[in-house]
Amino acid sequence: QVQMVQSGVEVKMPGASVKVSCKTSGFTFTQYVISWVRQAPGQGLQWMGRISVYNGDTKYAQMFQGRATLTTDTSTSTAYMELRSLRSDDTAVYYCARQSFEWLPKQDRALYYSDYWGQGTLVTVSS
Amino acid sequence: DIQMTQSPSSLSASVGDRVTITCRASQNIANYLNWYQQKPGKAPQLLIYAASSLQSGVPSGFSGSGSETDFTLTINGLQLEDFATYYCQQTYSTSWTFGQGTKVEIK
Repeated sequence: QVQMVQSGVEVKMPGASVKVSCKTSGFTFTQYVISWVRQAPGQGLQWMGRISVYNGDTKYAQMFQGRATLTTDTSTSTAYMELRSLRSDDTAVYYCARQSFEWLPKQDRALYYSDYWGQGTLVTVSS
Repeated sequence: DIQMTQSPSSLSASVGDRVTITCRASQNIANYLNWYQQKPGKAPQLLIYAASSLQSGVPSGFSGSGSETDFTLTINGLQLEDFATYYCQQTYSTSWTFGQGTKVEIK
């Protein structure tokens, strides 16, 4: 069965960096796209970016461009999200999610959707 | 970025009710629209993809419709376990975005 297991709680000082891992199993990791989403306390979902495991291609939401880096380790089927220059408003639960897709012939491209999610990693930024 | 606006932001309903949540995109996204359910302290779960395709294992009381800019999630016969927050998401553009969420509460 598909599993996405994330690393544990992190507490960081402002200005530090954090690297969250997402270890996957139960599917062929290299055939998928992994996205990252965060949720601040009491707030909605915010898409951060995605990485195509098969070719390493990345796309980031504009607000994370230059501050977040998504990577993968195909030898361990693990995805990583690193966020630098942390601020207090980066306090949130961070999720990884596997992207499956459906080819839409009318648009001649794929539609992606998050069908499996990690359990979330709480990152607290506080002095 | 494409803005996704859900309405209402919250609603109160009773078990057995029919509930409708709408999601409007700031530009044409064809049917590149997904719906998720999230319960407190849990990761979101996929309900609907491509605007109207029911994810495997999701009860048939959930349905989605719409295209271009206007989309609807309908829950027929609301169950206790359906009280949650619902999010739409567009994956049409390079940068994906979520709606702000709709919280469905017990009346």
